Amino acid sequence: GESVGLHLPTLSVQEGDNSIINCAYSNSASDYFIWYKQESGKGPQFIIDIRSNMDKRQGQRVTVLLNKTVKHLSLQIAATQPGDSAVYFCAENFWMDSSYKLIFGSGTRLLVRP
Amino acid sequence: NAGVTQTPKFQVLKTGQSMTLQCAQDMNHEYMSWYRQDPGMGLRLIHYSVGAGITDQGEVPNGYNVSRSTTEDFPLRLLSAAPSQTSVYFCASRPFSGYSYEQYFGPGTRLTVT
Repeated sequence: GESVGLHLPTLSVQEGDNSIINCAYSNSASDYFIWYKQESGKGPQFIIDIRSNMDKRQGQRVTVLLNKTVKHLSLQIAATQPGDSAVYFCAENFWMDSSYKLIFGSGTRLLVRP
Repeated sequence: NAGVTQTPKFQVLKTGQSMTLQCAQDMNHEYMSWYRQDPGMGLRLIHYSVGAGITDQGEVPNGYNVSRSTTEDFPLRLLSAAPSQTSVYFCASRPFSGYSYEQYFGPGTRLTVT
């Protein structure tokens, strides 16, 4: 079936550097994508989203890039801080069986070195 | 408001026992869903509901039942617990319409089946 996956299971970066987390999706009908951050013992927390008619969206210190040609999504975190250490999930939203479904990838752990 | 609440936080069951995981939200969201998260993996959709009286299956519905008698509550029932159902369960909600499909997640229920 359709799936969302991530290229790197663990990413280690130096505090202050920029981080890039990648995600590949396979459902060409997906019209909306979300990045979530999950800290240990907590539920996922929304970071940023992007619709399929856009290729870039910026938030506070975060940017999401969407390349529909190669079905690739990335999350860029500027000036990475220790508080950014968490697992990051991308999720794709598509219409199926008369409803929208949000399907998650397997996650990337971001470790920030002091 | 409290957002999405889940009870219990932790539960241990013996194989074959049944139980109900509770989920409630006070944001008047039409859409609610249940996910399970296994170690080192992303979230997989179990069941979802687009409104009171309407439920449907997600990716991994077997062994679980849901009902939606009110907008606020969306309980998940395990009919006959199995060790394979050991996982962390997250409930989420969002408005059914609008620009964003951002889902608001509860804190999770950690279930162990022995």
